[in-house]
Amino acid sequence: AQSVTQLDSQVPVFEEAPVELRCNYSSSVSVYLFWYVQYPNQGLQLLLKYLSGSTLVKGINGFEAEFNKSQTSFHLRKPSVHISDTAEYFCAVSDWRTSYDKVIFGPGTSLSVIP
Amino acid sequence: NAGVTQTPKFRVLKTGQSMTLLCAQDMNHEYMYWYRQDPGMGLRLIHYSVGEGTTAKGEVPDGYNVSRLKKQNFLLGLESAAPSQTSVYFCASSTEETTQYFGPGTRLLVL
Repeated sequence: AQSVTQLDSQVPVFEEAPVELRCNYSSSVSVYLFWYVQYPNQGLQLLLKYLSGSTLVKGINGFEAEFNKSQTSFHLRKPSVHISDTAEYFCAVSDWRTSYDKVIFGPGTSLSVIP
Repeated sequence: NAGVTQTPKFRVLKTGQSMTLLCAQDMNHEYMYWYRQDPGMGLRLIHYSVGEGTTAKGEVPDGYNVSRLKKQNFLLGLESAAPSQTSVYFCASSTEETTQYFGPGTRLLVL
C-alpha cells in the first residue's frame, strides 16, 4: 500500500530565506509524485509533478522538487520565499497503473513566511 | 472557463438531516472525485467516477452516496448527517494524465 509522510507539520521561515519541505513516500510500484498548494480558504492547486524523465522538476512560483528513488523522497524547495508563499503544501503520490483512484495525499505542511 | 465549481460554499446541518453537494466542471474531464479534508489528515478520497454513469468507492465512503448522471456534474449526498461528517469537502476533476483540478471547497458543520 502507498503512503506519504510529510515530517514537518509547520515550517516558519523568514522572507527571502530558502525553504525545503520534506516528503517521503512508500510504494511497491512505480509512482507519480505531486506537490499541491492550498492558500487560505481555497482549493488545492498543482505546483509541480513528476511523471518520468529528469528527476529535477520545476514548477510554478519558483518552486522545484527533486525525485530521489533510492531515498523515496520528493522534497520541495524554493531559494527565496515571499510573503505570498504562506500556505499549506501537500505532497501526493499515485500508482502509475491505476492513477485515477490511487492518489494518496500527505497530511500537509503549513508554511508561514515571516516578514 | 469556470473550472471546477462547488455549491453550496457553507452549510450547517443538524444530526440526521440530509443534503446534497453539487460539483460542476466545464473542462470536459472524464474523472471526478470527492474528498474530505480534516486537520492533520490531508485529503481522503470518499468516492470517485471514471465517466458518466459510473461511480466507485474511495478510502472513506461510509455515510455518503454519489451520482454522475451527466459528465459535467458529480453529486455527493449525505442521507443522515452525523457530527463526524463535519469537514471541508473538495471536488476535483482530471483527465487520464492524473493532474487534478480542485474546486474551492464546501465547509460543512453538523451539529
